[in-house]
Amino acid sequence: DQQVKQNSPSLSVQEGRISILNCDYTNSMFDYFLWYKKYPAEGPTFLISISSIKDKNEDGRFTVFLNKSAKHLSLHIVPSQPGDSAVYFCAASEVGGLTFGKGTHLIIQP
Amino acid sequence: DSGVTQTPKHLITATGQRVTLRCSPRSGDLSVYWYQQSLDQGLQFLIQYYNGEERAKGNILERFSAQQFPDLHSELNLSSLELGDSALYFCASSAGFNQPQHFGDGTRLSIL
Repeated sequence: DQQVKQNSPSLSVQEGRISILNCDYTNSMFDYFLWYKKYPAEGPTFLISISSIKDKNEDGRFTVFLNKSAKHLSLHIVPSQPGDSAVYFCAASEVGGLTFGKGTHLIIQP
Repeated sequence: DSGVTQTPKHLITATGQRVTLRCSPRSGDLSVYWYQQSLDQGLQFLIQYYNGEERAKGNILERFSAQQFPDLHSELNLSSLELGDSALYFCASSAGFNQPQHFGDGTRLSIL
């Protein structure tokens, strides 16, 4: 049973527009959430995180929103740039290791 | 560069063999985590060590074991290897609880 779900395997966005990546979770014990970006042949790169006591966290072009009642989080990238093309993973933490979604492949089109 | 170093980058071996994967965490990080990424299962947490002691276990097989040494580097030992163990193995480190985990570039293990 997948506890962290990313329902969109891929997403195509025009350069300069907003990219919105979504993630749903089922385990109400998760208290810390993260987004990672991954290129082929490299490890996941940490982007941004949010604690369950907050509903928003911003870092430059990246903003993560958390809706605990809906068990939903999203990553907004504004404006989208060609270098943002990669696979994005949502992850959640309870105790110990992270539980990852299957990823969303973001493609930024010129 | 995440600061987490994994060796070797690639490993090719045969069924029934034993291998050791090595990880050096970022300077100052006391926690080390191991993950397996296979095509069908995605990224799966295996085990966590904190300052030399096992802290949490995930979906780690009994044929697999790990340890963290006094200098904080960690090793993941995989024995009686099967074809299904072919995967990417990632190590991550973090400064503490509810702190971001930073990943190495992984070891690609191929079982022939």
